Amino acid sequence: GNSVTQMEGPVTLSEEAFLTINCTYTATGYPSLFWYVQYPGEGLQLLLKATKADDKGSNKGFEATYRKETTSFHLEKGSVQVSDSAVYFCALRPYNTDKLIFGTGTRLQVFP
Amino acid sequence: DTAVSQTPKYLVTQMGNDKSIKCEQNLGHDTMYWYKQDSKKFLKIMFSYNNKELIINETVPNRFSPKSPDKAHLNLHINSLELGDSAVYFCASSPLTGGQETQYFGPGTRLLVL
Repeated sequence: GNSVTQMEGPVTLSEEAFLTINCTYTATGYPSLFWYVQYPGEGLQLLLKATKADDKGSNKGFEATYRKETTSFHLEKGSVQVSDSAVYFCALRPYNTDKLIFGTGTRLQVFP
Repeated sequence: DTAVSQTPKYLVTQMGNDKSIKCEQNLGHDTMYWYKQDSKKFLKIMFSYNNKELIINETVPNRFSPKSPDKAHLNLHINSLELGDSAVYFCASSPLTGGQETQYFGPGTRLLVL
């Protein structure tokens, strides 16, 4: 079946620290992969995506590379800010379907 | 300028009541969805509609009935509300079905059943 596994949070960092949030997936075929972010009290926003192996998605200083050999899509940022504090969701979309399958989310807390 | 909007934003109601949540998108998308986020932040798809036609129904209890009067609207009606229905419900839309299109989410409706 299709599933997404994310590292459990919360992840607590000081401002300007390096961020990695791990995400691995199980899927048949070639899914598309996504990171969504949910700021406190708000809905989900697409952060970045990758639709095929070795693609790198990037946005707002965040990056993630679609690694088929390790079935991973880890989220990274070189220098986090307090405003990055949010819950981050890794998701996959199986090929030729509409269904987004989400991980359990990872809460990031950044302190000044 | 709102892309995907939901009403109401908050909904507090008693067990056994019937309630509706409305969703509208002005993006011209063909496909709309409902997702449920539980108290542990776990998100799961409930339904999807493409051009008013039901595409996905994820074994949701039949107390939940989506209704799509046109392709810009997908409303969620819930009968006989139960405590376990308390959650945040997100509407989303995407341009096409079955492709690699991004889904755009609304701000969510926080439902609390007492």
